[in-house]
Amino acid sequence: KQEVTQIPAALSVPEGENLVLNCSFTDSAIYNLQWFRQDPGKGLTSLLLIQSSQREQTSGRLNASLDKSSGRSTLYIAASQPGDSATYLCAVKGGGATNKLIFGTGTLLAVQP
Amino acid sequence: ETGVTQSPTHLIKTRGQQVTLRCSSQSGHNTVSWYQQALGQGPQFIFQYYREEENGRGNFPPRFSGLQFPNYSSELNVNALELDDSALYLCASSSPDRYYEQYFGPGTRLTVT
Repeated sequence: KQEVTQIPAALSVPEGENLVLNCSFTDSAIYNLQWFRQDPGKGLTSLLLIQSSQREQTSGRLNASLDKSSGRSTLYIAASQPGDSATYLCAVKGGGATNKLIFGTGTLLAVQP
Repeated sequence: ETGVTQSPTHLIKTRGQQVTLRCSSQSGHNTVSWYQQALGQGPQFIFQYYREEENGRGNFPPRFSGLQFPNYSSELNVNALELDDSALYLCASSSPDRYYEQYFGPGTRLTVT
């Protein structure tokens, strides 16, 4: 049974710092991995999607890496800003017919001005 | 490109009642998935609809049911509401043309009293 874990559960950093969020999963047979951002009480915004055959994806100040064999992904945020404050969730899709995503419980990020 | 929309935004129901939540998928997406997110948790997969048929289900009882319409919009119905059904309900749409990247709506906050 696939399980997804995110560490740390919460993180507070001063503005301008570079930071790394971690995601681990127990079953390496994944189709893809997505990173999402969620503001309080809101829906999920897709940040990056990494195919199982890829090692990393970049979008602006965000870089996500994937090491499928070790069951790990990291989300790197460069030059953090107060507007980056949110909960960050990672989710994996298995290789089956459904698009079922299995989520971690998220990392709550606070960037202090 | 129109994003995923959901209605209503908020809903308050009494235990034992029935509720219907609605979702319009992103333009061009033929698959809709529903998720339940309890406070402080990651979203949990309820089920998925493709071509108007349910083709994947998570660990939710039969009182959670759904429909998908020819225009790919979808409904989630929950019968005999229980207090534990209080949660944020999220709809996501996807397309195989985009590596099944999932795009989420803003969610419906359901409170059962």
